[in-house]
Amino acid sequence: DSGVTQTPKHLITATGQRVTLRCSPRSGDLSVYWYQQSLDQGLQFLIQYYNGEERAKGNILERFSAQQFPDLHSELNLSSLELGDSALYFCASSATGHPTDTQYFGPGTRLTVL
Amino acid sequence: TQLLEQSPQFLSIQEGENLTVYCNSSSVFSSLQWYRQEPGEGPVLLVTVVTGGEVKKLKRLTFQFGDARKDSSLHITAAQPGDTGLYLCAGSAESGTSYGKLTFGQGTILTVHP
Repeated sequence: DSGVTQTPKHLITATGQRVTLRCSPRSGDLSVYWYQQSLDQGLQFLIQYYNGEERAKGNILERFSAQQFPDLHSELNLSSLELGDSALYFCASSATGHPTDTQYFGPGTRLTVL
Repeated sequence: TQLLEQSPQFLSIQEGENLTVYCNSSSVFSSLQWYRQEPGEGPVLLVTVVTGGEVKKLKRLTFQFGDARKDSSLHITAAQPGDTGLYLCAGSAESGTSYGKLTFGQGTILTVHP
């Protein structure tokens, strides 16, 4: 158990819909990262937050948005969903967001878009 | 864009054999991490290497970071069925707007047969 929690574990929805994925970081960690893992693209970095502020951005679509709240939990919002958005979405947390920090990954949310 | 090429993509071996997984890039990374991921779970960090030429050993696993910090290898001695899983290398950007961002290789699916 990494200490990072993600909800829900599974999500099935239809094209065009909007969903919210939730992540609670490990106790004491200030930085949160979101990743997407699919069979064809592998594990792709989406976005990073540190203490409520956006720190780095990766291959995140404009239809996707995220935020980190004052209690440090984070949400990833996916809208106008397409079939190709079906993937595993992982949240990770680290103490400071420094490049050499260990990132601890949550168990993931499996999103299926029908 | 920083890319990490991981090889081989698939590896199927018998218990007791040795194996090496490679991770190569044309970019320099501040650190290189190796993860192991089991089905339905998030990646779990095995090791972080930060110094060019660094070698780290974790029981039967040996990790090496290239002198130029552009490549890395994972060597497993006397593989066991419990080593079966997806192995991922990930490089951390040195600086700039990608600070703290991890770039993952496509992964190596290792199957060790009893």
